Amino acid sequence: GAVVSQHPSRVICKSGTSVKIECRSLDFQATTMFWYRQFPKQSLMLMATSNEGSKATYEQGVEKDKFLINHASLTLSTLTVTSAHPEDSSFYICSAFDSQETQYFGPGTRLLVL
Amino acid sequence: AQTVTQSQPEMSVQEAETVTLSCTYDTSESNYYLFWYKQPPSRQMILVIRQEAYKQQNATENRFSVNFQKAAKSFSLKISDSQLGDTAMYFCAFIIYNQGGKLIFGQGTELSVKP
Repeated sequence: GAVVSQHPSRVICKSGTSVKIECRSLDFQATTMFWYRQFPKQSLMLMATSNEGSKATYEQGVEKDKFLINHASLTLSTLTVTSAHPEDSSFYICSAFDSQETQYFGPGTRLLVL
Repeated sequence: AQTVTQSQPEMSVQEAETVTLSCTYDTSESNYYLFWYKQPPSRQMILVIRQEAYKQQNATENRFSVNFQKAAKSFSLKISDSQLGDTAMYFCAFIIYNQGGKLIFGQGTELSVKP
């Protein structure tokens, strides 16, 4: 299957700082990528849809000014958590959407805000 | 509304035995794709199997197979010869064809394979 990388795998930051997470599709081009948040023992919660060359589409209840998404190329999308607070601590997962109507997922990023 | 229901929050199976995970879904669309994803303790989401709704033949991938009943909107996953490495959370999901790729997920079934 297709490979999607995500960096960093884990990050600890202080409250009020910003954190950037990168998502790359390594062996295919993805015009669409997705960002999810997952709490322990729960399903994935879609945060936003990232489209190359255009603005991201955010799900209801997700603050677009807090979770900045950039999809500058067909292989890279970034999620920046701005002015992070402890309640933003979570597991963030990205996925890349291929031409066969299939999403492939990155390994996830554990964010801990102190 | 488009929904996926996994009615078994937790299941367990003995190593080498067979287990079936249930999934039902609801959509008014006729052209869609169904998936089972596995999330082991590492939390990496792994595609297990994929089924096109227009295909009547059930998909298989080695020890994994599905029972797709389109009229009943049912998409169960059968794992044969269960292995310890199959221990994971399993998510059933679907995508509506040509509508941007958004996955609709179930709540997951936590499968434990016991030695």
